[in-house]
Amino acid sequence: NAGVTQTPKFQVLKTGQSMTLQCAQDMNHEYMSWYRQDPGMGLRLIHYSVGAGITDQGEVPNGYNVSRSTTEDFPLRLLSAAPSQTSVYFCASSEGNRNEQYFGPGTRLTVT
Amino acid sequence: ILNVEQSPQSLHVQEGDSTNFTCSFPSSNFYALHWYRWETAKSPEALFVMTLNGDEKKKGRISATLNTKEGYSYLYIKGSQPEDSATYLCASLDDYKLSFGAGTTVTVRA
Repeated sequence: NAGVTQTPKFQVLKTGQSMTLQCAQDMNHEYMSWYRQDPGMGLRLIHYSVGAGITDQGEVPNGYNVSRSTTEDFPLRLLSAAPSQTSVYFCASSEGNRNEQYFGPGTRLTVT
Repeated sequence: ILNVEQSPQSLHVQEGDSTNFTCSFPSSNFYALHWYRWETAKSPEALFVMTLNGDEKKKGRISATLNTKEGYSYLYIKGSQPEDSATYLCASLDDYKLSFGAGTTVTVRA
């Protein structure tokens, strides 16, 4: 099993550009989520999904969209990148909301 | 979103010594408490998920306790080794959302 995979690993964007961060898992997990990690702060939940076709907002959803058309994939879209979105982004999956989460390797995004 | 606090923010331990640190979370509407270990340049890895008041879990030299009535959890490292150097994150589950603390960074000195 590959576990949770994320692409790309690094990305530099200019302000106003859009892009999609990819996340996939091969463990048949129902629950998937996106976090951002900033210095001095814990992981902050952006969006999450409890199953295909179901998504909901987390703590910091503004500027991001998600969709969950399959169990395996949970892409995160930046609509119009801003310097405040410079961060490390982690995708995670779990069997259910009370189970341990498995994290992907992260995507380091810089917006100039 | 829950207010989860961890203390101390960082600590240094001599190899062979034991240490512990705290995670505080709101005791109302509690679902579960997670602990993760996060090494530099890697992704967080789960240590424990605890749900019941009084839960104690152990993995090797690392153990954790849970008090849901007063809203705290302790993580203990017995006989610290250099490979225990990492940031330890706790997270409290509120229905479907995990709220993470900022972490305790442990540095073990040989």
